[in-house]
Amino acid sequence: DGGITQSPKYLFRKEGQNVTLSCEQNLNHDAMYWYRQDPGQGLRLIYYSQIVNDFQKGDIAEGYSVSREKKESFPLTVTSAQKNPTAFYLCASSLGDKPYFGPGTRLTVT
Amino acid sequence: GQNIDQPTEMTATEGAIVQINCTYQTSGFNGLFWYQQHAGEAPTFLSYNVLDGLEEKGRFSSFLSRSKGYSYLLLKELQMKDSASYLCAVSEDDKIIFGKGTRLHILP
Repeated sequence: DGGITQSPKYLFRKEGQNVTLSCEQNLNHDAMYWYRQDPGQGLRLIYYSQIVNDFQKGDIAEGYSVSREKKESFPLTVTSAQKNPTAFYLCASSLGDKPYFGPGTRLTVT
Repeated sequence: GQNIDQPTEMTATEGAIVQINCTYQTSGFNGLFWYQQHAGEAPTFLSYNVLDGLEEKGRFSSFLSRSKGYSYLLLKELQMKDSASYLCAVSEDDKIIFGKGTRLHILP
């Protein structure tokens, strides 16, 4: 089955710790995206990548980092510099048209 | 910069028709998407408009006017399961930007 996966579904961390969220796709898509969603809000773009070994900052990149070493994988690290990391994180991929979303990771930092 | 506006909330009655509007201002435009999102879940794709006009898909239709920076999503024969948030998104250059979403409440 082709698709996009994110793991884990729920993640809990203590303040001050870095945490990495996984995103994998086997759709052979070139573009991948990370979004953050807060309760009752829309999706805000954190980082995006159009090709392996290249990525760009979105609107809210501060406190986050990414890598794109493989076409299939686009992990997101939430660093301790991110002031309000608790949120629902969504990864998406596309071939240039509609993005397909993974199931999301709900991160809680206390 | 970019700006995508849609109403925060709307309420409609089961069996009725509702139109959700979206206006946008972006530096580049490659197309406009509509997504449905139920609480706690990932968004699911509804429609994609690149050219002006109406795209119909079952009970859902989407309209685009590029010159006016305007789109709407039309939902017919509303069902209780249509209670969800509806997200308007614009493909701008090589990134996709979302509006804040419209929460649709369906009354029996």
